[in-house]
Amino acid sequence: DQQVKQNSPSLSVQEGRISILNCDYTNSMFDYFLWYKKYPAEGPTFLISISSIKDKNEDGRFTVFLNKSAKHLSLHIVPSQPGDSAVYFCAASFTGANSKLTFGKGITLSVRP
Amino acid sequence: ETGVTQTPRHLVMGMTNKKSLKCEQHLGHNAMYWYKQSAKKPLELMFVYNFKEQTENNSVPSRFSPECPNSSHLFLHLHTLQPEDSALYLCASSQEYGSNQPQHFGDGTRLSIL
Repeated sequence: DQQVKQNSPSLSVQEGRISILNCDYTNSMFDYFLWYKKYPAEGPTFLISISSIKDKNEDGRFTVFLNKSAKHLSLHIVPSQPGDSAVYFCAASFTGANSKLTFGKGITLSVRP
Repeated sequence: ETGVTQTPRHLVMGMTNKKSLKCEQHLGHNAMYWYKQSAKKPLELMFVYNFKEQTENNSVPSRFSPECPNSSHLFLHLHTLQPEDSALYLCASSQEYGSNQPQHFGDGTRLSIL
């Protein structure tokens, strides 16, 4: 049973436009959410996170939005650049001892020049 | 990112071989992790070590044996693997397990079982 779902396997966006990557979760105990980016032949790289006490966190071109009632979060990239083309993983955990990260399957983003 | 280094990057082995994967982190973290990534599946947590003590074994078969001699080094010893064990094995570290701090990943070892 997948607790973190990234239902769209891929997304293609024109350079300069906004990329919106979605993620849904089922476990209401989750209170910390992260996005990772992965290039081929490299490990995932931490991008941005958000705690459940917030509904938005921004870092440069990257903004993560959290809608707790809908158990939904999204990553916005504005403006999108060709170098953003990668696989993006959503992950979630809950505060406390022995809390592990649960990952989604990932979304492949392609930014067209 | 060079904070977490994994060797080798690629490994091909037969089902009867014994080999080891190595991970080293230079970030001063106290928690280290092994993950398995198979095609079209989410990352699966295998083992967690926190302050050198194993705190998680996610129902991993005994043909995978982890070792954490100190907070900076983590090994995964492999013995009598099966073809379905072919995958990307990722090591990660974080400040402390369960502290809601991001995990930092190495580039992985691509393992192929013949």
